[in-house]
Amino acid sequence: DTGVSQDPRHKITKRGQNVTFRCDPISEHNRLYWYRQTLGQGPEFLTYFQNEAQLEKSRLLSDRFSAERPKGSFSTLEIQRTEQGDSAMYLCASTEELQGPRAETQYFGPGTRLLVL
Amino acid sequence: AQSVAQPEDQVNVAEGNPLTVKCTYSVSGNPYLFWYVQYPNRGLQFLLKYITGDNLVKGSYGFEAEFNKSQTSFHLKKPSALVSDSALYFCAVRDKWPGNTPLVFGKGTRLSVIA
Repeated sequence: DTGVSQDPRHKITKRGQNVTFRCDPISEHNRLYWYRQTLGQGPEFLTYFQNEAQLEKSRLLSDRFSAERPKGSFSTLEIQRTEQGDSAMYLCASTEELQGPRAETQYFGPGTRLLVL
Repeated sequence: AQSVAQPEDQVNVAEGNPLTVKCTYSVSGNPYLFWYVQYPNRGLQFLLKYITGDNLVKGSYGFEAEFNKSQTSFHLKKPSALVSDSALYFCAVRDKWPGNTPLVFGKGTRLSVIA
C-alpha cells in the first residue's frame, strides 16, 4: 500500500505566474484534503473532496485557487497569478470513509513547497 | 468553532528522560484528537488518535497520549526520549459530527532531545 504522493516536491516561480500541483492519494481512499502550511504554523485547511465532489472550501481559498478531482482519484491544485504570500508548503491528505479503528485517520503526502519570487 | 492550543513553542529534554508535549482543545461536541509528527521538509506522519474508548491511547514509536475531557487536554507523552524523536509535533482536533471533516491543527511544538 503506497502512501500519498505529491508532485512536484519543490516549485519556484515568479510572481504572476500560474502553478499546478498534483496529489495522488492512497489507493481507494475516497476523501482527499488540501492544506497549506506556512512557516511556524500548523497546516490550515483549504478544501476537500469526496470522490470527485468538492464538499467544502475554506475562506483561505481565494478566487485565484482552484482544485479538481475529475475522476475521483488524483487531484490538482492550481494557483493563478501567484503572489509572494502564496509561498508555503501545500499538503495533501487522504482517508478512507469507513467505520472502525482505521477510520478518521488522514494520511499526508510529503508536500509541495512553493516559493514565489 | 474548533481550536487547538499548543502552549509551548519548544520543549527540550535530555535523552532517556520522559517527555510531555501539551495540547488543549475546544470543540462544541465530542472531540476526535490526533497527534502528528513532522521531520524537516517532510509531510506529517500520523502518531496516534483518540476516537472513543480508553482515555490512554498508545501509538507509534512508543508515544502515548491521555485524553482528559474535564481539562480538555490531550498531552503527548513518552517514557524515555530518544534523540531521533527531535521533530515538530502537531496536535489536531475535529468535532465527531459530521464525519471525516477537515482537521484543525495547533501551531506545533518543536521537540529537541539532547544527548
